[in-house]
Amino acid sequence: GAVVSQHPSRVICKSGTSVKIECRSLDFQATTMFWYRQFPKQSLMLMATSNEGSKATYEQGVEKDKFLINHASLTLSTLTVTSAHPEDSSFYICSAREQGVGDYGYTFGSGTRLTVV
Amino acid sequence: DAKTTQPTSMDCAEGRAANLPCNHSTISGNEYVYWYRQIHSQGPQYIIHGLKNNETNEMASLIITEDRKSSTLILPHATLRDTAVYYCIVRVGTSGSRLTFGEGTQLTVNP
Repeated sequence: GAVVSQHPSRVICKSGTSVKIECRSLDFQATTMFWYRQFPKQSLMLMATSNEGSKATYEQGVEKDKFLINHASLTLSTLTVTSAHPEDSSFYICSAREQGVGDYGYTFGSGTRLTVV
Repeated sequence: DAKTTQPTSMDCAEGRAANLPCNHSTISGNEYVYWYRQIHSQGPQYIIHGLKNNETNEMASLIITEDRKSSTLILPHATLRDTAVYYCIVRVGTSGSRLTFGEGTQLTVNP
């Protein structure tokens, strides 16, 4: 089945630094990828939708200059948290939709636990 | 996308069937019902989806009422590994559209 690899699984960074999270579709091409954020004991909140070769679409309230998304190929999307602060500490999850597959074709990565100290 | 209502939590004995309800009374004719689950600290996993007919796969069964205003996800023989948050999502089945997660139901399977 479709596999989405997300790295790193866990990262600790200092306040003010930037962190890049990678999301790769291993055995399929993903025209669309989604980035979610999840705080403890809360549900997943969609941050942005990225389409290969075009700018990401951000949800209301998500700072596009702080959360940089790049979807340069059909198998890779990256999320960069710039100038991270402790309030950015969260569980970040990506999802990829397999090109040409029906609507069950959403596969999620295993998530990245970001801790900003 | 139609709003869904699920119980906050449920318990189930290992080996018994787990029946997870979802209310989606404002569902429209072109909206599908999807179920995903999220085991602690992992990404969500697709379970099943349907439009109006009941569906079954190797993981679960989905029962949708005739008026489509509610549905039930059935795990026929729950195991400890089925302990997770289960999300019922209603959305139009168009390509590329996003999944919006509600609060879900925390299912705890007890030994």
